[in-house]
Amino acid sequence: EAAVTQSPRSKVAVTGGKVTLSCHQTNNHDYMYWYRQDTGHGLRLIHYSYVADSTEKGDIPDGYKASRPSQENFSLILELASLSQTAVYFCASSDRNSDYTFGSGTRLLVI
Amino acid sequence: SQLAEENLWALSVHEGESVTVNCSYKTSITALQWYRQKSGEGPAQLILIRSNEREKRNGRLRATLDTSSQSSSLSITATRCEDTAVYFCATPLTGNYKYVFGAGTRLKVIA
Repeated sequence: EAAVTQSPRSKVAVTGGKVTLSCHQTNNHDYMYWYRQDTGHGLRLIHYSYVADSTEKGDIPDGYKASRPSQENFSLILELASLSQTAVYFCASSDRNSDYTFGSGTRLLVI
Repeated sequence: SQLAEENLWALSVHEGESVTVNCSYKTSITALQWYRQKSGEGPAQLILIRSNEREKRNGRLRATLDTSSQSSSLSITATRCEDTAVYFCATPLTGNYKYVFGAGTRLKVIA
């Protein structure tokens, strides 16, 4: 079954440390996205990619980097984690017809 | 930037009743999506309705799109407790991908 798998499911990080969130899709989708969700709010787009080896900035890219080494894999990197980056992060993939699949999310707590 | 917004923060209904969630958007769009997010899960795509469609159904779900008033609705008939979730509308920022989400309407179905 086609899916989007995120790892880890949860993580506690220290302020100033580096955090890497990983995403793997088996949907054969061209597009992949990283969204952030804060408690009680909707999703905000951080970075996205429409082809391997290329990433684009979304609405809130500051403090985040992204990497798409292959069609299946998309990572979100926090080089210097900050308290304000505590949130749930969702990865998603889509095809050109907007068929979206989301992962189950990664809960990140920065202390 | 909130291109799409649900009109209510929260509402509750009794099991078996019908309910409608409304969404308004700010620009001309090619399509609009409705999502459901249950507690602790990622969003799940429910219905994608394109700008040339006025209505689309998916089982007990019915979405409408009114491009003249820039609004959409999602109706759920014969609600069940498992319909309890946050319902989001989303519109594409560009083309057919890179969707922007509203803050969501929290629906509680009471047994």
